[in-house]
Amino acid sequence: LAKTTQPISMDSYEGQEVNITCSHNNIATNDYITWYQQFPSQGPRFIIQGYKTKVTNEVASLFIPADRKSSTLSLPRVSLSDTAVYYCLVVPKAAGNKLTFGGGTRVLVKP
Amino acid sequence: DTGVSQNPRHKITKRGQNVTFRCDPISEHNRLYWYRQTLGQGPEFLTYFQNEAQLEKSRLLSDRFSAERPKGSFSTLEIQRTEQGDSAMYLCASSPGLAVGRETQYFGPGTRLLVL
Repeated sequence: LAKTTQPISMDSYEGQEVNITCSHNNIATNDYITWYQQFPSQGPRFIIQGYKTKVTNEVASLFIPADRKSSTLSLPRVSLSDTAVYYCLVVPKAAGNKLTFGGGTRVLVKP
Repeated sequence: DTGVSQNPRHKITKRGQNVTFRCDPISEHNRLYWYRQTLGQGPEFLTYFQNEAQLEKSRLLSDRFSAERPKGSFSTLEIQRTEQGDSAMYLCASSPGLAVGRETQYFGPGTRLLVL
C-alpha cells in the first residue's frame, strides 16, 4: 500500500487559493488518489478523486503529474469555513474497500 | 437527504464497563465500515460489512470488540471491558456496494467515547 506524505499544517487567508501537495512515491498502476475533508467533531467528507492529469469539481481541483508520484489539491478562494483537516489517500483497486488515512494537513483560513 | 447516523454521539463510561454504539447507514447502501480516530490522527480502519457479512477485520479489533450487522441494515459495535486506551471517536461509513473497490464512503458524525 502506497504511503502518503503531506504537510502537517498550512495557514491561508480568506480569498486565497490553497494548494496542498501530497507525495505517494510507491503508487501502483491501479491506485487512485482521493482527498477527504474533515471538520472538527465530524466524519470525513469526500472531496475529489483522480487517476491522472486534472480533475475539477465544484469544490476543488486535483492535479496529478504524469509520473503520479505526487498530487496537488487546489482549493480556490478559500473562506473561513474551509478550515479543516484534508487527507490525501491512495486507494487501491482491491484493498478490501478500506481507506487508509494518514495524518492529514490542517488548513487554517484566517480573516 | 438522510445521511449516515450514529448513536449515541457521546459516551462516557468507566473502565471495565461494556458499551455499544449503533450506526444507521444510508438507505440501500450495502457496505458499512467502522473506523476509529484518536485525537490528532486520521481514522483507522476497524472492520467492514458487505450486507450482513463481515468481510474484513483489522488487527486493531481485539477480542473485546465485536461488530454485527444482523439484517444488512444498521450495525452495532460493542466494546467489552473498556480500557482507557479505547477512548476515541468511532466513525461509521457506508457506500453503495455496487462497484469493486474505490467507492466513495459517506461518514457519519461519529460517537466520541471517553473511558474514565
